[in-house]
Amino acid sequence: DIQMTQSPSSLSASVGDRVTITCRASQDIAIYLNWFQQKPGKVPTLLIYDKFTLQRGVPSRFSGSGSGTDFTLTISSLQPEDFATYYCQQTSNIPFTFGPGTKVDLK
Amino acid sequence: EVQLAESGGGLIQPGRSLRLSCAASGFNLDDYGMHWVRQAPGKGLEWVSGINWNSATTGYADSVKGRFTISRDNVKNSLYLQMNSLRPEDTALYYCGRDRRYSSSYLGPVDVWGQGTTVIVS
Repeated sequence: DIQMTQSPSSLSASVGDRVTITCRASQDIAIYLNWFQQKPGKVPTLLIYDKFTLQRGVPSRFSGSGSGTDFTLTISSLQPEDFATYYCQQTSNIPFTFGPGTKVDLK
Repeated sequence: EVQLAESGGGLIQPGRSLRLSCAASGFNLDDYGMHWVRQAPGKGLEWVSGINWNSATTGYADSVKGRFTISRDNVKNSLYLQMNSLRPEDTALYYCGRDRRYSSSYLGPVDVWGQGTTVIVS
């Protein structure tokens, strides 16, 4: 099975900051890397799929990059509604696996 | 409006069985793959199982393989998860999710989520 890791596990940031979250796969997953956002008590939402494609309705301050085993989610200018936990997920090989999550909170 | 509504959760003793259901509305279930994703209290997301539009492709997490079975009834616009030999570590909020890919043999990420149904094994 493909193992997913994320770093950092948590970070504190201010509104307007540029935030970068890294996700690493234990083997090559090509472009099949997705990013989800989950706010406390809420259902997860898909932000980015297939490495860099923004899901409809997601603000352009979110972007994804990377390839193979190393991927990055960037929030160019953090907004108050972006404080949440972010998960990466690979959909290259079944079983699909999520990373452990990165919690972004207010500094 | 596209919606998913899970049901069937509850408190169940270890070793027993439970069947979750997910009713889809606002779209034709047989156009999409579907998934179950769970989240234990205070923990992260765990993909449990997925099934493509015509049931030709199914998959399971190692933690549930051989105990859980995913199925679908496209006529009833419903998805199911049969959970046998339940363990305390299966305690979680179980989400039903629609695959982003339309009419595909392959599975991808979930783009529509239900509100979840809680399973407590104790």
